[in-house]
Amino acid sequence: DLVLTQTPLSSSVTLGQPASISCRSSQSLVHTDGNTYLSWLQQRPGQPPRLLLYKISNRLSGVPDRFSGSGAGTDFALKISRVEAGDVGVYYCVQQTQFPHPMYTFGQGTKLEI
Amino acid sequence: QVQLQQWGAGLLKPSETLSLTCAVYGGSFTGYFWSWIRQPPGKGLEWIGEINHSGNTNYNPSLERRVTISVDTPKNQLSLNLTSVTAADTGVYYCARGGLSRWGLGTLVTVSS
Repeated sequence: DLVLTQTPLSSSVTLGQPASISCRSSQSLVHTDGNTYLSWLQQRPGQPPRLLLYKISNRLSGVPDRFSGSGAGTDFALKISRVEAGDVGVYYCVQQTQFPHPMYTFGQGTKLEI
Repeated sequence: QVQLQQWGAGLLKPSETLSLTCAVYGGSFTGYFWSWIRQPPGKGLEWIGEINHSGNTNYNPSLERRVTISVDTPKNQLSLNLTSVTAADTGVYYCARGGLSRWGLGTLVTVSS
């Protein structure tokens, strides 16, 4: 089965400084339709997760452009250009796969602290 | 703006059946799959399964033997049943729209004797 490995698992960042989280897949995430359904979620303390980016680098409406996604194949990254206090929380990469069976697989999560 | 409202029993004894319902307001119900996802206390996210308006389902193989997800399309609702619960099933259960673009607030379910 597909495994998503995030690094680091915890990161302490200074306000205004950049932050980066890596997500590595155990297999290629390119779908048969040519898309790569790799998304990033943010979960602030005490809140449900919130979708930030989908298909690697597409920001959901309302997500600041400080958040960006990159990568291809098996290696992906979430970057925050200038960390703000409201960015504290846990970030998850998640992949929607179709084979061998349709399902979502999550990374372990990366805790971002200030 | 789509809103997902969840409800269900929050305290169960081992071997009982977990039952939760999620109602979708303010958006298309028929155009998406709808998922259940859970999160043990202090841990990460686990996808349970999904359903569409026609009742087509996909389940996480690790839970498939105990899970049933059903839909009531006229009411824009989906439901989760998880049988034979144990303490390992304790956590917050979320419903979410396909693509995980909208989430409910979550329901804390505790399994304790």
